[in-house]
Amino acid sequence: QVLLQESGPGLMKPSETLSLTCTVSGLSISASKYYWGWIRQPPGKGLEWIATIYYSGATYYNPSLQSRVTMSIDASKRQFSLKLRSVTAADTAVYYCVRPTGGFEGWFDPWGQGVVVTVSS
Amino acid sequence: EIVLTQSPGTLSLSPGERATLSCRASQSVHSRYLAWYQQKPGQAPGLLIYGASNRATGIPDRFSGSGSETDFTLTISGLEPEDFAVYYCQQYGSSPLTFGGGTKVEI
Repeated sequence: QVLLQESGPGLMKPSETLSLTCTVSGLSISASKYYWGWIRQPPGKGLEWIATIYYSGATYYNPSLQSRVTMSIDASKRQFSLKLRSVTAADTAVYYCVRPTGGFEGWFDPWGQGVVVTVSS
Repeated sequence: EIVLTQSPGTLSLSPGERATLSCRASQSVHSRYLAWYQQKPGQAPGLLIYGASNRATGIPDRFSGSGSETDFTLTISGLEPEDFAVYYCQQYGSSPLTFGGGTKVEI
């Protein structure tokens, strides 16, 4: 069973850089040709795809966030990460790490439990 | 970008009733690349349906998906108490991947 667990700062100030990490258990990131991704959900709102990375390191970003986002993978640690620069209150959300299934353009299963990120001065 | 519009916003039903949720796309979704998710309060979404009509592992057969191109439907035949939740559709036929705004199924 594949399990995903997010970790992150919780509370941030505007203009800072958000750094999130997802730890994968149940399979090897490097041994399996899987994709990994991030999705966010602002309070009381819907879901937004942020980015996807292939085990090889190839990345795919939502154009709406592309200028501020970087995704990376560290197979030795069974982790992949997201950096979001110059955060504002609009970036306040629950951030989920996910596994896109069926390719980069795929459905998402499983999901991590989510980490709450609040941006406030 | 493909915009997905879900309707109704809220569906008020009783246990045992049939729920019909709609997801309409602003342009044709390639190869029926559409998924449905269920989200309960305080939890992450969970996959129900992929490929428009394929149930994910462990999903009861009271959940069914149908549709193609721009019109998709999720049907729950005989609502159980645990089915009251928010449901989202997602298209993965073209980038950026997008979600609908959700339908809340409430008692």
